[in-house]
Amino acid sequence: EAGVTQFPSHSVIEKGQTVTLRCDPISGHDNLYWYRRVMGKEIKFLLHFVKESKQDESGMPNNRFLAERTGGTYSTLKVQPAELEDSGVYFCASSQAGYSGNTIYFGEGSWLTVV
Amino acid sequence: AQRVTQPEKLLSVFKGAPVELKCNYSYSGSPELFWYVQYSRQRLQLLLRHISRESIKGFTADLNKGETSFHLKKPFAQEEDSAMYYCALSRGNQFYFGTGTSLTVIP
Repeated sequence: EAGVTQFPSHSVIEKGQTVTLRCDPISGHDNLYWYRRVMGKEIKFLLHFVKESKQDESGMPNNRFLAERTGGTYSTLKVQPAELEDSGVYFCASSQAGYSGNTIYFGEGSWLTVV
Repeated sequence: AQRVTQPEKLLSVFKGAPVELKCNYSYSGSPELFWYVQYSRQRLQLLLRHISRESIKGFTADLNKGETSFHLKKPFAQEEDSAMYYCALSRGNQFYFGTGTSLTVIP
């Protein structure tokens, strides 16, 4: 079974440019999460989808970040325009629906460097 | 508010020595706690969860509600244990992670 896949694995962009990160969850997983780890800090929650609906987007840092999950399958996270402080690793994760505290499965992360 | 604290960013031990990675949490309810591990060039993966009370790769972790701790322990460290370890607390479908501890096992 394929795990959570993320693309691109690495991205280097200039300040002010746009980057779109993609996540393909494990097939059949209704829950999809985006997390971010900025250098030296903890992994922080960004948002949570249940199917195509945003269940919780309280962790989104500002309106330069836009996440979508059209059709309830893959998700994209767009940063526009990117700032230096957006550099970090963006993790996507997925889990099965309906079980509180269920384990989640992570992708390998997308490393974003804004220069 | 939920919070997970891992006080040690870096930890080095010799092969064969015992290892303990500390984790403290703050949570008003009954927590569900996990340890995740990230080996070099691999994805974050679940190591163990407190509700299953199992030992994975020789690691164990006991939830101490009085001390609000969930320290990860292994009696004899192996070189392949070198990795980044994250303690995490689950509330519903959301996870709260600590800052991680980088463990290096010296041969």
